[in-house]
Amino acid sequence: EVQLVESGGGLVQPGGSLRLSCAASGFTVNSNYMSWVRQAPGKGLEWVSVIYSGGSTYYADSVKGRFTISRDNSKNTVYLQMNSLRAEDTAVYYCARMTLSDGFHVWGQGTMVTVSS
Amino acid sequence: QSALTQPASVSGSPGQSITISCTGTSSDVGGYNYVSWYQQHPGKAPKLMIYEVSNRPSGVPDRFSGSKSGNTASLTISGLQAEDEADYYCSSYTSSSTWVFGGGTKLTVL
Repeated sequence: EVQLVESGGGLVQPGGSLRLSCAASGFTVNSNYMSWVRQAPGKGLEWVSVIYSGGSTYYADSVKGRFTISRDNSKNTVYLQMNSLRAEDTAVYYCARMTLSDGFHVWGQGTMVTVSS
Repeated sequence: QSALTQPASVSGSPGQSITISCTGTSSDVGGYNYVSWYQQHPGKAPKLMIYEVSNRPSGVPDRFSGSKSGNTASLTISGLQAEDEADYYCSSYTSSSTWVFGGGTKLTVL
């Protein structure tokens, strides 16, 4: 069964760091495009970052320079390292498997990140 | 990276049809056929409903259809049912090799 399980969310102070994990099963992350999408409380979806199968990475302007997406092929896991966190980064963070044509076709259950003092 | 423009809300009665628009630019919606639509019920993860403008994944009812004209994509739901009440989001690939979502539309089934 194809599945994504996110973990690593929690409460962090402004300026702090957090690393989210997305463990995949039923497919290999290094052969797929993998994205992070977030949703602030009561708000819409916001695309955050993607790592393409070839290893190229891209970011939304709102997180560029602060967030880093990576993957560990041996653990079949994708990560999102989040530094210099701000209150506006508070959101549920979803991991998604995607392709150019098929869109975001597999989603995890999400992990909540709260940035507050 | 501006969000695609969707109406904040739409409504319809059971059995009726509704259409949700999604307006972007020539750098995203208008430039590529990589437009997809997502349904999200409260507290749940989004679910893919339409990909590549007008294709339905297996298991999605054929009441859901998609189209595109110029910089605007559309999602039409015919024969509205109570379980269709949810938030709907469009998404597009962009010329910057990134992705963008619409602001979301709340569908109310009256």
